[in-house]
Amino acid sequence: KQEVTQIPAALSVPEGENLVLNCSFTDSAIYNLQWFRQDPGKGLTSLLLIQSSQREQTSGRLNASLDKSSGRSTLYIAASQPGDSATYLCAVLTGGGNKLTFGTGTQLKVEL
Amino acid sequence: EAEVAQSPRYKITEKSQAVAFWCDPISGHATLYWYRQILGQGPELLVQFQDESVVDDSQLPKDRFSAERLKGVDSTLKIQPAELGDSAMYLCASSHAGYEQYFGPGTRLTVT
Repeated sequence: KQEVTQIPAALSVPEGENLVLNCSFTDSAIYNLQWFRQDPGKGLTSLLLIQSSQREQTSGRLNASLDKSSGRSTLYIAASQPGDSATYLCAVLTGGGNKLTFGTGTQLKVEL
Repeated sequence: EAEVAQSPRYKITEKSQAVAFWCDPISGHATLYWYRQILGQGPELLVQFQDESVVDDSQLPKDRFSAERLKGVDSTLKIQPAELGDSAMYLCASSHAGYEQYFGPGTRLTVT
């Protein structure tokens, strides 16, 4: 059974700081990995998707890396802003039925 | 930009009552998912449809939950009777060819 772990569970940083969120998964036989953002009481917004054959994806100030063999991914956020405050979820797609398994998220607060 | 629609956005119901949620996926997306997200946790898959057929409902509590996608387009998730432990966010997602999933805004259910 695929298990996804995210650390830290919560993170508070001053505005402008660069930061890294971590995600690990137990079964390396994945199709892809997605990073999502979730604001309080809202749905999920997809930030980046990395295919299993890729090593990283970039979008603006966000960069996600994938090391499938070691079961790890990182989300790097450059020059953090208060608007980045949200919960960040990592999810991996596995199995013949294309099942998406989520971590429990990292709650990020960027302070002025 | 096409989006997944869900209604209602919020629902308060009493224990033992019936409740239903509706989802309209992105046009052309054959795969539709219903997830349940308990506060502080990642979403967990309840049921997955491919067109009008159920692909995976292994985590759906079938004694009280039912889901249908009669014409392979929009879908309804029903709970009868609702229990206090059903309070959660119910998220619908859709995908094309089973890869990147796009999520709706969710329905926040509170059972009193």
